[in-house]
Amino acid sequence: EPEVTQTPSHQVTQMGQEVILRCVPISNHLYFYWYRQILGQKVEFLVSFYNNEISEKSEIFDDQFSVERPDGSNFTLKIRSTKLEDSAMYFCASSDPAGGDYGYTFGSGTRLTVV
Amino acid sequence: AQSVSQHNHHVILSEAASLELGCNYSYGGTVNLFWYVQYPGQHLQLLLKYFSGDPLVKGIKGFEAEFIKSKFSFNLRKPSVQWSDTAEYFCAVRNRDDKIIFGKGTRLHILP
Repeated sequence: EPEVTQTPSHQVTQMGQEVILRCVPISNHLYFYWYRQILGQKVEFLVSFYNNEISEKSEIFDDQFSVERPDGSNFTLKIRSTKLEDSAMYFCASSDPAGGDYGYTFGSGTRLTVV
Repeated sequence: AQSVSQHNHHVILSEAASLELGCNYSYGGTVNLFWYVQYPGQHLQLLLKYFSGDPLVKGIKGFEAEFIKSKFSFNLRKPSVQWSDTAEYFCAVRNRDDKIIFGKGTRLHILP
């Protein structure tokens, strides 16, 4: 079964540092998403991406965040200057061209710890 | 703004007990509905989904959910839970804009 792959699985970074979270969506999917889950809280939408541009973003997704699809396979989330409150599990997801019949497929997540 | 409400934040059951987790959503248009499960230390996995047709949806691991349009509800059920069902369960709705909105989750703990 196709999978969404995220790397690294766990990243520890110092406050103020930049981090890049990487995702490889399912190959024929065209819609890509980032969500995050702060420990003990609900899964929150960050951003959706289609046709090489952001299609929607939440209020959480401020200027500190950016997304990019640098080549045909990777989809990255960059956090420019990390804050303690950015510590969370970050999930990438992708969906098929028509929004399909499968919901989203989520990756296994990257646990980001900002110290 | 659309939202998803899960009524139970933490549920504790004994093995073989029946389970029902409530979910209500607020959105008047056509929606797709999902239940995701997150086992301890793992990622989100799709349990079941409703797009159209039979409002009683069967998913993996013996779970089912019923879409009741008049009540804006999509409750998750399982007749007999197992210890391995210990996990967090998220109800989610996707609207025409294709964005999935999650509920706050219900933490289910099954006593052996």
